[in-house]
This record gives sequence, C-alpha cells and structure tokens, in this order.
Amino acid sequence: QKEVEQNSGPLSVPEGAIASLNCTYSDRGSQSFFWYRQYSGKSPELIMFIYSNGDKEDGRFTAQLNKASQYVSLLIRDSQPSDSATYLCAAGPGNTGFQKLVFGTGTRLLVSP
Amino acid sequence: EPEVTQTPSHQVTQMGQEVILRCVPISNHLYFYWYRQILGQKVEFLVSFYNNEISEKSEIFDDQFSVERPDGSNFTLKIRSTKLEDSAMYFCASMERAKNIQYFGAGTRLSVL
Repeated sequence: QKEVEQNSGPLSVPEGAIASLNCTYSDRGSQSFFWYRQYSGKSPELIMFIYSNGDKEDGRFTAQLNKASQYVSLLIRDSQPSDSATYLCAAGPGNTGFQKLVFGTGTRLLVSP
Repeated sequence: EPEVTQTPSHQVTQMGQEVILRCVPISNHLYFYWYRQILGQKVEFLVSFYNNEISEKSEIFDDQFSVERPDGSNFTLKIRSTKLEDSAMYFCASMERAKNIQYFGAGTRLSVL
C-alpha cells in the first residue's frame, strides 16, 4: 500500500515566521512530489513540485526532497495570515503521463497576525 | 489563465439514483483524472484516462462508476446507483504531459440522501 504521511496539525506560527511542513512516503518508486494548498471547501492548488534531491525555491516557498530518507518538506518564509490553509503533500510515479497522485491527509497551518 | 471547469458545483441526489459529474479540462491537456475527498479525509485517486480509455483505476472505482469523453471537450464521471457513502467532493484534474503537473477543478460536492 503506497502511503504518504503528514502530521495533521494544526501547526501554528506567528506572522513573519518560517513554517516548516513535513511529509514522508512509503513507495521508493515515487519520483515526483507536489505540494498543494487547500483552503476549506476548495480544491487543491499547486504550490510547488520537486523531482530531484535537494532544495527548490520559488518566492517565499522552498521544497526539499531527500529520496534516501523518503522525506519531503515545504518551508514557507515570512508566513502571512493568508497562508493559513491545509497543505497537501502528494507523490507521483515519475515523468510519465499516468500520474496517479497519492495524497497525504494534509497539515493544517494557522498563521496568527 | 486556463482552468479546469466542473459542473455542477453541488449535486444533491437520492440514494440509488444515477448522477453525472461534468468536467471541461484545460484545452491542450491529454490526461484526465477524477479524485474524490470525503469530508475531513484525504484526496483519493479514482481513475485516470488517456487516449479515450482508462489507464488506471483504484479499488474505489467499481462497476458503479464509469468515465467518458463524449466529445472533444467534456470529461464525465457517472455513478450508476449512488450510495450514501458516495457523498464527497469530486475533483477533476487534467495534465499536459510535457509539464507533468495536474491542475484541479473547483470540484463538485455530491450529497447523497
């Protein structure tokens, strides 16, 4: 059974702080990893994707991947109240078209003003 | 910006009735997906579709479910005889192969009474 595990939270951080969200996955065949943001009652919105070991930065967001440890993380710098949402980690099989994503349960982030 | 469009946004039906959920994927995308999310639970893969056929389906996608691309733009999910446990948000996603990223529609909330 392919699983993606996340701490459900909530993770509470003050405005301006760094939020660190973590995710582990069980399937070593997973090659592509995605972070989606989901506001309550809304659909997942892509924030970041990462395929290679190391860090990938995009604005205030940094995704980190360690395939040896089967670990993915998302750092949000200068957190804003509007970042308050559930962050979903998803794993996919790789660079193929048949990209069944396996999602974690999500981590709820609360950024207080 | 192109987006995946889903209709209706909310569907209420009686147990045992058939429902059809509709999706218009992004126009140059070739890979299509349905996921569902029961309230408070994780996003779960249902089915992927490419070149007018199902490429993969989950255990959830039993004989009561079917998908179709009836024309060049629509992608539908049919549930033949709805059960109470089919109540969930259903998300359609589409992907352009070159980018390997799935974009989600806003979802259809299905309520089975």
